[in-house]
Amino acid sequence: GNSVTQMEGPVTLSEEAFLTINCTYTATGYPSLFWYVQYPGEGLQLLLKATKADDKGSNKGFEATYRKETTSFHLEKGSVQVSDSAVYFCALSSSNTGKLIFGQGTTLQVKP
Amino acid sequence: GAVVSQHPSWVICKSGTSVKIECRSLDFQATTMFWYRQFPKQSLMLMATSNEGSKATYEQGVEKDKFLINHASLTLSTLTVTSAHPEDSSFYICSAPSAGTDTQYFGPGTRLTVL
Repeated sequence: GNSVTQMEGPVTLSEEAFLTINCTYTATGYPSLFWYVQYPGEGLQLLLKATKADDKGSNKGFEATYRKETTSFHLEKGSVQVSDSAVYFCALSSSNTGKLIFGQGTTLQVKP
Repeated sequence: GAVVSQHPSWVICKSGTSVKIECRSLDFQATTMFWYRQFPKQSLMLMATSNEGSKATYEQGVEKDKFLINHASLTLSTLTVTSAHPEDSSFYICSAPSAGTDTQYFGPGTRLTVL
């Protein structure tokens, strides 16, 4: 079945450091890929998405490229801020049902 | 952007009682809504798909008689946890897709604690 695997957390970085959170997936067909972010005490918010191979999603300085050859969708940011501290979820949707399959989430802690 | 609300945000109940959680799409209509369950430090697990005007579709392993879902209107879905037990304590989250897109909008979640 379809699945999403994220790197284990927590990830602790200093402000302005480079961030990479790895995400790989297993799916039949051509899924859409997403990164959602959950800030403390808030609901999940869509951070970025990509719907086909080689697409790059970007938002708020975050980027992720849909790599079909490596079945990956790694999240990157060149310079993190304390306000980026949150839990990040990689997810896929592989049908027109709208169902999302989530990775286990990665907690990011950015220290000043 | 689109807003999805949940009520209540947290609830504590005694074992054996039933609890109803509401999910509303505030500025858009949703013929489909999704209910997830999130355990501490774990991912979201899809429980069921709520369909306006028809029965909900449950994921494998989810007891449909225990987790009753009613999609009463195009802006409201309810999840009722019947005869709750401590193992039902969790964070319940709903989401709704915006029409014509594959973007889901999530509610803030409801923390259920069963004593």
